[in-house]
Amino acid sequence: DQQVKQNSPSLSVQEGRISILNCDYTNSMFDYFLWYKKYPAEGPTFLISISSIKDKNEDGRFTVFLNKSAKHLSLHIVPSQPGDSAVYFCAASAVLSGGGADGLTFGKGTHLIIQP
Amino acid sequence: GAGVSQSPRYKVAKRGQDVALRCDPISGHVSLFWYQQALGQGPEFLTYFQNEAQLDKSGLPSDRFFAERPEGSVSTLKIQRTQQEDSAVYLCASSQQGSVRNSPLHFGNGTRLTVT
Repeated sequence: DQQVKQNSPSLSVQEGRISILNCDYTNSMFDYFLWYKKYPAEGPTFLISISSIKDKNEDGRFTVFLNKSAKHLSLHIVPSQPGDSAVYFCAASAVLSGGGADGLTFGKGTHLIIQP
Repeated sequence: GAGVSQSPRYKVAKRGQDVALRCDPISGHVSLFWYQQALGQGPEFLTYFQNEAQLDKSGLPSDRFFAERPEGSVSTLKIQRTQQEDSAVYLCASSQQGSVRNSPLHFGNGTRLTVT
């Protein structure tokens, strides 16, 4: 059973508009969440993170929102740019989880396509 | 190099062959993780090292999988008697510290293993 779910395999957004990527989780022990961005044939690169004690974290064009009661987080990108076209992975961590040293549990990813 | 380096980039093995995948983490990084990413899936945790000590190997799918990091830097993931279901991208990641809360994981570009 997937503990981190990204239900949209792909998302198409026009350049300049807002991109909203969603992620749901089931494990209530998760207390730290991250977004990674991945280009083809490259490894994932860290984008932004949020601790469960916060409900929002912002870094430039990227903002992550966390709704603990709904076990839901979202990544907002505004304005969207062509270089944002990539696969975005939501990941979660729990202290002393099975991953050891709070290893990450990833979703399946959402392929974001920014259209000119 | 500045990033995590993995070799080979691509590996084709006949079923039953043994393979060895290499990871050069960022110099000075204490923590090293191996992940397996099947087609259309997110990365899944395999094993974790802190320096030369393998602290968690709960994600290794079978006893055909073996990982080592004898001197606390370079790591090798070995798969014996490969099977078709082992076909995946194997990602290595390193971080300065054990907790992703303090230092994000830096991923290599992965080794794509195809078992025929």
